[in-house]
Amino acid sequence: SQELEQSPQSLIVQEGKNLTINCTSSKTLYGLYWYKQKYGEGLIFLMMLQKGGEEKSHEKITAKLDEKKQQSSLHITASQPSHAGIYLCGADKGYSTLTFGKGTMLLVSP
Amino acid sequence: KAGVTQTPRYLIKTRGQQVTLSCSPISGHRSVSWYQQTPGQGLQFLFEYFSETQRNKGNFPGRFSGRQFSNSRSEMNVSTLELGDSALYLCASSVHGTGEETQYFGPGTRLLVL
Repeated sequence: SQELEQSPQSLIVQEGKNLTINCTSSKTLYGLYWYKQKYGEGLIFLMMLQKGGEEKSHEKITAKLDEKKQQSSLHITASQPSHAGIYLCGADKGYSTLTFGKGTMLLVSP
Repeated sequence: KAGVTQTPRYLIKTRGQQVTLSCSPISGHRSVSWYQQTPGQGLQFLFEYFSETQRNKGNFPGRFSGRQFSNSRSEMNVSTLELGDSALYLCASSVHGTGEETQYFGPGTRLLVL
C-alpha cells in the first residue's frame, strides 16, 4: 500500500522566515493534496497537484510536485503566526480515498 | 455556499454504547468520505459513498458502518464502542468523487469513549 512520509515532523520558525515541508511517497503520485489543520479542527484545503513538475502558489504558500511524481514540497515565504498549524499531505487512491502523511506541526514564533 | 457540516461536534459515550454521526455535504456534492483521526494512527480512511452506494471501504471492523441518503447526507454508526474509538471523525465531500476533484472537509466530530 502507498505510504506518505512527511518531514520534518515539527518545526519552529521565527516570524518572517521561510520554511519547506516535504512529502515523499513510496509509489507514484497521481494526485497530491496539501491541507492545513488547526488542532482538533477540520482540514482546510490548500492545493492539489497532479502533473509532474507542477507548481502552484496561493498567497505566500507554494507547492511543487517533482517530475517523477514521488515527492512534493510545500514552501512558505515570510512566515506569519497565521501559518501555524498542522500541514498534511494526502495522496489520491481513487473514489475520493485519500491516504495521508502523519503531518508536520508548524509553530511560528513572534 | 455553505461548507460541509457535521453534527454533533462533541460527543461523550461509554464503552459498549453505539453512536451515530451525521455529515451534510456541500450542496451539489454527491460523494461523501469518512475519516478517523487519532494521535497514534493519524488520518485513516473509513468509507466512501456516492449516490447512496458504498464504493470503497477502509480497513476497519464491521462495528463501523455508514449510509448515504438520497439528498447526499451521510451518517456513520459505530456499535459496541471501545476506548480506542475515541477520535476526531471527519467527513469530506466532493462532486463526483473522482481523483481530479478537491475534497472539502467538515469541522469534525470529536468522540470520547469512557
